[in-house]
Amino acid sequence: AQSVAQPEDQVNVAEGNPLTVKCTYSVSGNPYLFWYVQYPNRGLQFLLKYITGDNLVKGSYGFEAEFNKSQTSFHLKKPSALVSDSALYFCAVRETTSGTYKYIFGTGTRLKVLA
Amino acid sequence: DTGVSQNPRHKITKRGQNVTFRCDPISEHNRLYWYRQTLGQGPEFLTYFQNEAQLEKSRLLSDRFSAERPKGSFSTLEIQRTEQGDSAMYLCASSISPGDGAFFGQGTRLTVV
Repeated sequence: AQSVAQPEDQVNVAEGNPLTVKCTYSVSGNPYLFWYVQYPNRGLQFLLKYITGDNLVKGSYGFEAEFNKSQTSFHLKKPSALVSDSALYFCAVRETTSGTYKYIFGTGTRLKVLA
Repeated sequence: DTGVSQNPRHKITKRGQNVTFRCDPISEHNRLYWYRQTLGQGPEFLTYFQNEAQLEKSRLLSDRFSAERPKGSFSTLEIQRTEQGDSAMYLCASSISPGDGAFFGQGTRLTVV
């Protein structure tokens, strides 16, 4: 069964510093991997995805993520954090081979960027 | 606005009443998902439609929940005999292919009193 783990409930980082939000996954086949961001009382907003190919994928607002198959990880990164990046971040996985259609989400990581 | 639209945005209902939510997906998206999100948790899958066919339902989905997508366009989610535990944000998402990811609406927040 597919699953996603986000080991940190909250990540604090100073503005201008690099940030990393961690995600590990478990699937039986090849994964599709995604990051979403959620602002208060809003739906989820798509940030980036990994389907195949280059392990480093770039997305919206300067975010990028690195796919590591051996470690089954897909960590979200940004070289220089902004206060406006403060939000709830969700990692999601979709299996490509099991016949299931659903995206499975992690429990979320709250990012706080301090001025 | 060409995004996913959900109505109503908020719904307060008394325990035991039925409620229905509507989702209008992005027009060219044939795949539609319903999720539920409670405070501090990630979205939890409820059900999936491809065109008008309901192809997957969560095993956790109570038989009080039913969803339809009659013409393969908009979808409705009905909860019968609501319980306080049904209070949550109900999210709808649509996509054109699995690799594109799902695009979410702003959700319907249900409060059962």
